[in-house]
Amino acid sequence: AQRVTQPEKLLSVFKGAPVELKCNYSYSGSPELFWYVQYSRQRLQLLLRHISRESIKGFTADLNKGETSFHLKKPFAQEEDSAMYYCALSGRGYGGSQGNLIFGKGTKLSVKP
Amino acid sequence: KAGVTQTPRYLIKTRGQQVTLSCSPISGHRSVSWYQQTPGQGLQFLFEYFSETQRNKGNFPGRFSGRQFSNSRSEMNVSTLELGDSALYLCASSPLTGGSYEQYFGPGTRLTVT
Repeated sequence: AQRVTQPEKLLSVFKGAPVELKCNYSYSGSPELFWYVQYSRQRLQLLLRHISRESIKGFTADLNKGETSFHLKKPFAQEEDSAMYYCALSGRGYGGSQGNLIFGKGTKLSVKP
Repeated sequence: KAGVTQTPRYLIKTRGQQVTLSCSPISGHRSVSWYQQTPGQGLQFLFEYFSETQRNKGNFPGRFSGRQFSNSRSEMNVSTLELGDSALYLCASSPLTGGSYEQYFGPGTRLTVT
């Protein structure tokens, strides 16, 4: 079964502390994984995708196929990082399409001053 | 480029009625997907359209349907509304470049069924 698990509903850290948002997935094959972020009263927006191996707003995420994980990390949290974070997997549909995203339930990150 | 737009932004309907939601993708994006977001179930995939064809469908009853037009704009329809259909409906478009299925989301349509 294709599934994304984000074990923490809420993560609270102080400004300047390291942050790690956990994401584990279940997928048979080569997955495409993403992190999406939703700031208060804003639309869901793409933060990272694993194939680009980029760093956005100081966040990085490494795909670990052995542990089936795609954790999101930032060395020093900022107050403006407070938001809802969703891990998503591009799944496989009929005809080979991967046009559907399977989302985790999300982790709310709260960065305190 | 303008982002994904959805109309209307808010909608209130009565049980048993039907509703049509509209989505305009980012210019040049040919894939459009729809999602339902609720506090209990989170974000769930409804269906994906590409070149006016439904390519993928989530686990929703047949009351949920959609279509895509030649200009890539898409509509979704929910017939015989139930209270449980109250949700935020999100549309997303994808450029499908480089084999990546990164999707760009609209602001959503908030549907309330009374």
